[in-house]
Amino acid sequence: QKEVEQNSGPLSVPEGAIASLNCTYSDRGSQSFFWYRQYSGKSPELIMSIYSNGDKEDGRFTAQLNKASQYVSLLIRDSQPSDSATYLCAVNMLTGDKLIFGTGTRLQVFP
Amino acid sequence: GAVVSQHPSRVICKSGTSVKIECRSLDFQATTMFWYRQFPKQSLMLMATSNEGSKATYEQGVEKDKFLINHASLTLSTLTVTSAHPEDSSFYICSAINLAGGPGYEQYFGPGTRLTVT
Repeated sequence: QKEVEQNSGPLSVPEGAIASLNCTYSDRGSQSFFWYRQYSGKSPELIMSIYSNGDKEDGRFTAQLNKASQYVSLLIRDSQPSDSATYLCAVNMLTGDKLIFGTGTRLQVFP
Repeated sequence: GAVVSQHPSRVICKSGTSVKIECRSLDFQATTMFWYRQFPKQSLMLMATSNEGSKATYEQGVEKDKFLINHASLTLSTLTVTSAHPEDSSFYICSAINLAGGPGYEQYFGPGTRLTVT
């Protein structure tokens, strides 16, 4: 059974702080890793993808992948109230294959 | 780039009728599209994988005769909910893979269709 696990939260951080979102996956064969943001009542929006061990930065977002530990994380620097949403971690084994989603972590950024 | 549209965004229909939802990749070709359903405060649930020119692959527990999927071209997939019932009321979301994207072939989601069956 392929699984992707996330803490459901809510994770509450003050505005300007760093939000750290974590995700573990069970299948060592997983190849691609994605973070999606989903606002209430909206569809998911891709914010980061990462394929190799290490860090990948894009603006205020940094994705970190550790395949040995089967762990992927997302850091959001200078968190803003507009970052308040549910963050979904997703993985797949084969390029172009269906994604296995975690249940999501709800992030709340308070002013 | 990598824009996916869905139509309609909202639909209300009467029990027993059928509803068709369109999913289009606007600026890229998508040989593979996915259909999801999401109930309030619940996770995304993959319903089926739609491949251009071939039959869709349905996830376990999804009735293929009730949820008809057609992927007629590289930019269009349709989901038809046949003989809809109130329990089919949900948020239906499609996604498409951009083959010209990054090495992991990112999946991009449409804005979703909110179906209400009365």
